[in-house]
Amino acid sequence: DAGVTQSPTHLIKTRGQQVTLRCSPISGHKSVSWYQQVLGQGPQFIFQYYEKEERGRGNFPDRFSARQFPNYSSELNVNALLLGDSALYLCASSGGTGTGELFFGEGSRLTVL
Amino acid sequence: AQSVTQPDIHITVSEGASLELRCNYSYGATPYLFWYVQSPGQGLQLLLKYFSGDTLVQGIKGFEAEFKRSQSSFNLRKPSVHWSDAAEYFCAVGIVSGGYNKLIFGAGTRLAVHP
Repeated sequence: DAGVTQSPTHLIKTRGQQVTLRCSPISGHKSVSWYQQVLGQGPQFIFQYYEKEERGRGNFPDRFSARQFPNYSSELNVNALLLGDSALYLCASSGGTGTGELFFGEGSRLTVL
Repeated sequence: AQSVTQPDIHITVSEGASLELRCNYSYGATPYLFWYVQSPGQGLQLLLKYFSGDTLVQGIKGFEAEFKRSQSSFNLRKPSVHWSDAAEYFCAVGIVSGGYNKLIFGAGTRLAVHP
């Protein structure tokens, strides 16, 4: 069975640009979460979506937005990129919003120049 | 506020030696605790989790962890390390609140294994 898939795997942008990252959850999973992992740090929670609704949001500016589609895939958008947005962006899926395990994808590595 | 502390940034052990990675958490309610491993350029793989019950939990790849409520700790152990265990290890506490769940991660411990 396919795990969580993310695209693109690597991308380079310049300051001020916008980026869209994509995530397909494990089949049957209805919840998608996004995490940002800056080099040398642990991942930080950005969003959780469940049944196409935003259920939780971390301490990130409004430049960060996301959505979930009817097939439960998700996109993370970041506008007006800053150098500090350079990071590995991880997507995780789960069956619901309880205590179940999160299954992580391999991430999208964003470099902002 | 909830937080996770991994006191050791880097640890080096010899292959075949035992390993213990420390994790302390701060959380007011019953914690859901996890250990994840991340190899270079990879995502996170779950090693083990604690929700309730037996405080000694077994995971994949021969890892185990012990939950000690009195010490707010959830240390990861392995009796004999293999060269393939070299990776970064993250401890996390799971928060379920307001209709969503999230993980709060520590900063990680990078493990190097000498032959």
